[in-house]
Amino acid sequence: DAKTTQPNSMESNEEEPVHLPCNHSTISGTDYIHWYRQLPSQGPEYVIHGLTSNVNNRMASLAIAEDRKSSTLILHRATLRDAAVYYCIFTHDRGSTLGRLYFGRGTQLTVWP
Amino acid sequence: SQTIHQWPATLVQPVGSPLSLECTVEGTSNPNLYWYRQAAGRGLQLLFYSVGIGQISSEVPQNLSASRPQDRQFILSSKKLLLSDSGFYLCAWSVRRLAHTDTQYFGPGTRLTVL
Repeated sequence: DAKTTQPNSMESNEEEPVHLPCNHSTISGTDYIHWYRQLPSQGPEYVIHGLTSNVNNRMASLAIAEDRKSSTLILHRATLRDAAVYYCIFTHDRGSTLGRLYFGRGTQLTVWP
Repeated sequence: SQTIHQWPATLVQPVGSPLSLECTVEGTSNPNLYWYRQAAGRGLQLLFYSVGIGQISSEVPQNLSASRPQDRQFILSSKKLLLSDSGFYLCAWSVRRLAHTDTQYFGPGTRLTVL
């Protein structure tokens, strides 16, 4: 399975930006980086994914390092509803694990009012 | 729009009893289907993966099994539950492209406690 490294926990105040880091030093050139989050007692939900360029959507932005060995999920203005476990995953474009996601422990984000 | 259902939402079972958890997807055809388990305080573990009716891939050897009797139905079973089977069981689906950009959509989960 594909290995990523994330801090166990992070904290933020409401309405402040949050930068969630992820290291994926073994990523290959065509592997995609995905972020999911899991709110308490719910299933994970998709947040964003990217390959090389920075990506933006209504939920977040994804900044990918030039060497692709790390990425950062950016929540521009944290809300209390953003408190969740955030998972960084990268997926291979071929082989027996095609289409599968392997979740690590993720980062528990706490948002203070 | 697509919807994924799981039931029951919670379940308490004695050790050694059988298990059957059901997952159904609406609003899509030929999905890939997945079963995950999340033990207390741990990340999600992929258990089973299916690309079509009757086609099941097992990720982790254990006393659980999965079946896909219909295109949009995925069942997780056990003949005899162990204490270690306790956890939060999640079903997910994705569009059947088998691409590494596939997004998975998760159900609400079943919380299983084995006593």
